[in-house]
Amino acid sequence: GENVEQHPSTLSVQEGDSAVIKCTYSDSASNYFPWYKQELGKGPQLIIDIRSNVGEKKDQRIAVTLNKTAKHFSLHITETQPEDSAVYFCAANRYKLSFGAGTTVTVRA
Amino acid sequence: DGGITQSPKYLFRKEGQNVTLSCEQNLNHDAMYWYRQDPGQGLRLIYYSQIVNDFQKGDIAEGYSVSREKKESFPLTVTSAQKNPTAFYLCASSYVGLQGNQPQHFGDGTRLSIL
Repeated sequence: GENVEQHPSTLSVQEGDSAVIKCTYSDSASNYFPWYKQELGKGPQLIIDIRSNVGEKKDQRIAVTLNKTAKHFSLHITETQPEDSAVYFCAANRYKLSFGAGTTVTVRA
Repeated sequence: DGGITQSPKYLFRKEGQNVTLSCEQNLNHDAMYWYRQDPGQGLRLIYYSQIVNDFQKGDIAEGYSVSREKKESFPLTVTSAQKNPTAFYLCASSYVGLQGNQPQHFGDGTRLSIL
């Protein structure tokens, strides 16, 4: 089955700096890659997603890049704010979603 | 507002007891899913259903059971056969697309603990 690895497991950044989270996947047939943000005691919230026919997608301060050849994709958050502090999960889909283990992001004021 | 409602938010199980977690959605989604989340781990799929009266096992179905009698509802029963049930349980739903590549929307979870 699909195996998704996510790095780093924790990330601390100064407010206003950028944060980058990287994921790799094993199944070259995976075709859909969503990113979720989870706040304490809440369910994951979809923040951005990308499909295999696209290399990059941007939504305001959030961007995702996909390298199908290397089988890795990344989340970039620019101009970080305290409300960006949360756990972020990547996932890869081929018939079903497989999730990474999560990255705890802390934005220091 | 459309969304997914999970209840209860907190649940306690005694040894040898079955408990049922509720999941209701009003998003008109055909597919529904149950995931288990443990500290420091990603979400793991327990069961999923793409249509009423049909469901499939996920990666960790042992000790769990589900039903899908209505499009809007997908209850999960944690049976006494599940020896380590303490976890955060998440329900999700989505439209059904080719190869399953449709965004999944999550409820706010039920935290199950053993007494």
